[in-house]
Amino acid sequence: GESVGLHLPTLSVQEGDNSIINCAYSNSASDYFIWYKQESGKGPQFIIDIRSNMDKRQGQRVTVLLNKTVKHLSLQIAATQPGDSAVYFCAETANAGGTSYGKLTFGQGTILTVHP
Amino acid sequence: NAGVTQTPKFQVLKTGQSMTLQCAQDMNHNSMYWYRQDPGMGLRLIYYSASEGTTDKGEVPNGYNVSRLNKREFSLRLESAAPSQTSVYFCASLGGYTFGSGTRLTVV
Repeated sequence: GESVGLHLPTLSVQEGDNSIINCAYSNSASDYFIWYKQESGKGPQFIIDIRSNMDKRQGQRVTVLLNKTVKHLSLQIAATQPGDSAVYFCAETANAGGTSYGKLTFGQGTILTVHP
Repeated sequence: NAGVTQTPKFQVLKTGQSMTLQCAQDMNHNSMYWYRQDPGMGLRLIYYSASEGTTDKGEVPNGYNVSRLNKREFSLRLESAAPSQTSVYFCASLGGYTFGSGTRLTVV
């Protein structure tokens, strides 16, 4: 079936640098995307989401960019801190909306390591 | 505290044994999900329930059954556990906005 995948399995940065984590998706019907952070031994934590009618969305120190033409999603973390070290997943669904959701498909994940 | 609660946190089963993983949310969400996560992998959807009274298969439903007992509770059952079902299981609600802390299951 269709799946969501990531270009880079690991990313190492210095504290204070900006980080960019990429994700490619293959389901052209996807209309809602979410980025998660997962720390060791914990469940995924919602970071930011974006709908297909948007190209960019900003949160606190994070920005998600969506390029529907090439089916690409990225997560930018500004001024990366050691506490940002974790595995980051993108996920997509094709029938989000209202108060009920359909299948949510995850990518394989990128390990972000931030060095002090 | 509001959120998704999963029980148990850890479980060891022998091959062929059965068990039920419990999940409850107190946020009045319609949609609930069960995922499994294997080492170095992303989360794979087992089953989901878009709303109370409905359940649907995800990517890897074989060997599992689910019950949406009411709006709060969504349980996952392994009828005859196999070593291939050794994994970490996560329950989530509302399209994955909120995840439980996981159940680490080992089948020997």
